[in-house]
Amino acid sequence: DTVLTQSPALAVSPGERVSISCRASEGVNSYMHWYQQKPGQQPKLLIYKASNLASGVPARFSGSGSGTDFTLTIDPVEADDTATYFCQQSWNDPTFGAGTKLELK
Amino acid sequence: EVQLVESGGGLVQPGRSLKLSCAASGFTFSNYYMAWVRQAPKKGLEWVATISTSGSRTYYPDSVKGRFTISRDNAKSSLYLQMNSLKSEDTATYYCARQGIGTTDYYLDYWGQGVMVTVSS
Repeated sequence: DTVLTQSPALAVSPGERVSISCRASEGVNSYMHWYQQKPGQQPKLLIYKASNLASGVPARFSGSGSGTDFTLTIDPVEADDTATYFCQQSWNDPTFGAGTKLELK
Repeated sequence: EVQLVESGGGLVQPGRSLKLSCAASGFTFSNYYMAWVRQAPKKGLEWVATISTSGSRTYYPDSVKGRFTISRDNAKSSLYLQMNSLKSEDTATYYCARQGIGTTDYYLDYWGQGVMVTVSS
């Protein structure tokens, strides 16, 4: 299986820029996707195929990367962005990262 | 508005079976691959099954292969997950989700609210 590694947690202040990383154990081309999950809710697609903004998602969210290293950027961060962010690859059998919990200072 | 509503969860004993259903609305169901994804309590996400538009192609990870069966009824805009020989490690919230429109688009653009399955004696 393709293992996706994410930092467990990050803390930022509102108005700042934050980058959330995801590293794949093998190349996944551009087949990396990002989701946001707030407590008690289902995940929500933010970015698909590395850099494409999903419908209805604010332009504060952006994605970049290819191969094994990918980044989700939120700029500027708002209080409502408190959530866990998951990456998911689909170049091989689909797998998810363990998630990065974003907290606001 | 796209809506996915799961049902059929509950408490079940190890070794028994359970069938989940997902009612879809707000889009042309027969045009999309569909999937089930689960999340154990306080854990990450695991892709459980995928089914093609016609139902002729399916995908399962090794963790559920041979025990779980995904199916669909396009006339009823419904997705199903038959779970047999359940184990304690199958305890999770199960989400019904719609995949991207392309046949290679294994990402999930809409998710249901989830249904809890607890496997315990």
